[in-house]
Amino acid sequence: EVQLVESGGGLVQPGGSLRLSCEASGFMFSRYSINWVRQAPGKGLEWISYISDTSRTIYYADSVKGRFTISRDNAKNSVFLQMTRLRAEDTAVYFCARDPDDPHKRVFDLWGQGTLVAVSS
Amino acid sequence: IQLTQSPSSLSASVGDRVTITCRASEVMSSYFAWYQQKPGKAPKLLIYGVSTLESGVPSRFSGSGSGTHFTLTISGLQPEDFATYYCQQMNIYPPITFGQGTRLEIK
Repeated sequence: EVQLVESGGGLVQPGGSLRLSCEASGFMFSRYSINWVRQAPGKGLEWISYISDTSRTIYYADSVKGRFTISRDNAKNSVFLQMTRLRAEDTAVYFCARDPDDPHKRVFDLWGQGTLVAVSS
Repeated sequence: IQLTQSPSSLSASVGDRVTITCRASEVMSSYFAWYQQKPGKAPKLLIYGVSTLESGVPSRFSGSGSGTHFTLTISGLQPEDFATYYCQQMNIYPPITFGQGTRLEIK
């Protein structure tokens, strides 16, 4: 089955750290870019990070730059999001999403089910 | 680039034709998409490249537009279409941006 599965979410105190994982199956993972998108409770979608297929290109939203680090291990079909100095406003469901990174198809065509991160004391 | 969707919410009946609009703060080319999200679920891709229907998506969904004005039209609403819809641009990034969402409710 073609899918993305996130894990690693949970409750963390402000200032703490958490590492999210996104594991792919059913497709040639190393050929795709991967993005992280989050959704605060009752709010819309916010893109937060992108990593290209070879890890050569990485981008972050200003809201997480300097605090979050994206990485990938193509041998393990996985992308990671290391989150540090967490704030209450980072509370959200975090989704990973596949990007074909193709000139004919630039879009998020496959999403994971999401993992909830709650930042609270 | 900022994307502004309208309306923010919409009430309609089964069988209706509805149109959701997304306006961009700058002129964009073809990397424009629409997603559907139901409560507690991940977003689902409907339309990409402004007007290309994703495989498996019913033909009652259609997208159009150019420049700064883009639309999603649903012709003949079905019960399963009541959800929140988001537009997205990947023309100029970072950041990749989404509209704020349009909630489609049953009248």
